[in-house]
Amino acid sequence: SQKIEQNSEALNIQEGKTATLTCNYTNYSPAYLQWYRQDPGRGPVFLLLIRENEKEKRKERLKVTFDTTLKQSLFHITASQPADSATYLCARMDSSYKLIFGSGTRLLVRP
Amino acid sequence: GAGVSQSPSNKVTEKGKDVELRCDPISGHTALYWYRQSLGQGLEFLIYFQGNSAPDKSGLPSDRFSAERTGGSVSTLTIQRTQQEDSAVYLCASSLGAGRSGNTIYFGEGSWLTVV
Repeated sequence: SQKIEQNSEALNIQEGKTATLTCNYTNYSPAYLQWYRQDPGRGPVFLLLIRENEKEKRKERLKVTFDTTLKQSLFHITASQPADSATYLCARMDSSYKLIFGSGTRLLVRP
Repeated sequence: GAGVSQSPSNKVTEKGKDVELRCDPISGHTALYWYRQSLGQGLEFLIYFQGNSAPDKSGLPSDRFSAERTGGSVSTLTIQRTQQEDSAVYLCASSLGAGRSGNTIYFGEGSWLTVV
């Protein structure tokens, strides 16, 4: 089956450090991957999209990489702040063009 | 409207009752999605509408669940004979289109359903 997997364990880091979250996929080659942020009690909010022919995409303190050899996307937040604490979701589009989400990784940035 | 609008925002219902959840997508968006999220869990795909095509219902968990989209805009998710395991947040989302172009999906704030 076509799976998209994120680390279910929460990531706990100190303010100012770089947070790195992982998204792995198996058994297919997605045209692109998307990353979303979800705060408690809210709907997910789109952050970044990276296409299969792009190695890296940046937006302010956010950086996403896409390694088609490793079948992996990494999501980085540099100079992390307590306000970055949230759940981050990775998503891929399946063969029938609907978006399928990973289970998300919760990030906690300690002041 | 400016964003995806869902109603009701909270619903408490008795086991066995039917519920209807409404989604008003962003104007002009042809793709509409319903997802379910149980407490502390990821998003579970339910159903997807794209333009005038037949909806992708592959995620509906049982025949108690159904959804329709009238006039290519507003959608209603109906859960018949609700069970306690149906308690979750039901999230609606819309996008300009689908396919390989990578359209961004915009989510509503969800309808919180509690079955007692």
